[in-house]
Amino acid sequence: SQQGEEDPQALSIQEGENATMNCSYKTSINNLQWYRQNSGRGLVHLILIRSNEREKHSGRLRVTLDTSKKSSSLLITASRAADTASYFCATWGGSEKLVFGKGTKLTVNP
Amino acid sequence: NAGVMQNPRHLVRRRGQEARLRCSPMKGHSHVYWYRQLPEEGLKFMVYLQKENIIDESGMPKERFSAEFPKEGPSILRIQQVVRGDSAAYFCASSPTSGARDTQYFGPGTRLTVL
Repeated sequence: SQQGEEDPQALSIQEGENATMNCSYKTSINNLQWYRQNSGRGLVHLILIRSNEREKHSGRLRVTLDTSKKSSSLLITASRAADTASYFCATWGGSEKLVFGKGTKLTVNP
Repeated sequence: NAGVMQNPRHLVRRRGQEARLRCSPMKGHSHVYWYRQLPEEGLKFMVYLQKENIIDESGMPKERFSAEFPKEGPSILRIQQVVRGDSAAYFCASSPTSGARDTQYFGPGTRLTVL
């Protein structure tokens, strides 16, 4: 079954540095989405990239998608302490559900 | 426009009791999805509903779990005779269109603890 898997599982950086998280999946997809979850809270949608797109930007976020390698990356530039959260990728392959990975836990130290 | 509402936010039940989780989708959204998240895990799809219809329940355990989305009122996820393994965060999401071709908007979740 298709499944997004993020790496690294945990990432700790200093404020101002860039954070890069990767996601791999197994089968063909229609789109891939990234979500953020603060500890004990719900999910916040960050960005959606469709299968025919290669790169997308939103503020300090940059997402790339390589369908030949079945992988995506999320780059957060100039990180802030408030970016501390878990980040999940989720894929949609045409069924009626999103398939989530286990997430990357990002810690940004002030 | 209020976001997706879920209540209660926290629910404690003893083994064998029933848990009822409610979800009100965003205004204008007629598609509702329920997901379960175990500690340190990602979200796992449970069920997808439209008004008065269950479209996909492939992620729902066959026993004790049921879901509905009536014509009027919120969507309900019901867990009968809860066991400790049901302890998790349950998230509801809604979207204006079917599938995940567009953004799914998530509620804050209900954290169920089974004693």
